[in-house]
Amino acid sequence: AQSVSQHNHHVILSEAASLELGCNYSYGGTVNLFWYVQYPGQHLQLLLKYFSGDPLVKGIKGFEAEFIKSKFSFNLRKPSVQWSDTAEYFCAVSSGGYQKVTFGTGTKLQVIP
Amino acid sequence: DADVTQTPRNRITKTGKRIMLECSQTKGHDRMYWYRQDPGLGLRLIYYSFDVKDINKGEISDGYSVSRQAQAKFSLSLESAIPNQTALYFCATSDYRDPTDTQYFGPGTRLTVL
Repeated sequence: AQSVSQHNHHVILSEAASLELGCNYSYGGTVNLFWYVQYPGQHLQLLLKYFSGDPLVKGIKGFEAEFIKSKFSFNLRKPSVQWSDTAEYFCAVSSGGYQKVTFGTGTKLQVIP
Repeated sequence: DADVTQTPRNRITKTGKRIMLECSQTKGHDRMYWYRQDPGLGLRLIYYSFDVKDINKGEISDGYSVSRQAQAKFSLSLESAIPNQTALYFCATSDYRDPTDTQYFGPGTRLTVL
């Protein structure tokens, strides 16, 4: 069965600091990888996804993530965070055989002005 | 996503009551899902449906049932609500033609069971 681990549960940063949120998955086959964001009081929205091709994926609002197959990782990065990035971030994985998406437990990011 | 709507948005009920949460979508997607979100546990899949005649249990289906009334409608029922079903419930859809199975979420229903 596929699973996802997000090791950072709560991250606090000052504005302009760089961000990296860790995500590791376990599944030996072909995977699709996602980062979703949930702003306070809102529903989850897709931030970016990896399907195939370039392992460095660029998403909305300056976010990017790198798929490193050898490390089973898909870490989310942003060079300079803003207060408006305060949200909860979820990593997720799907595999062709299951056709279901498994979510991580989420990382709450708090950006201090 | 405005194309996926959920009703009600908030509900407070008592232990033992039957509750139905409804989800409608105008995205034309055939796949629909129900998740619950709990602090520190992320999203967990309750039930999913790949088309009108297909219903599948997710990882935490006990105490829940679903009905897929039409391609656009997928309802979640709590037959006899209990306090540990207090959570935020999300409906989601995806398109079978999308090989990545990207999920599109509704606004959520906050359910409190007293």
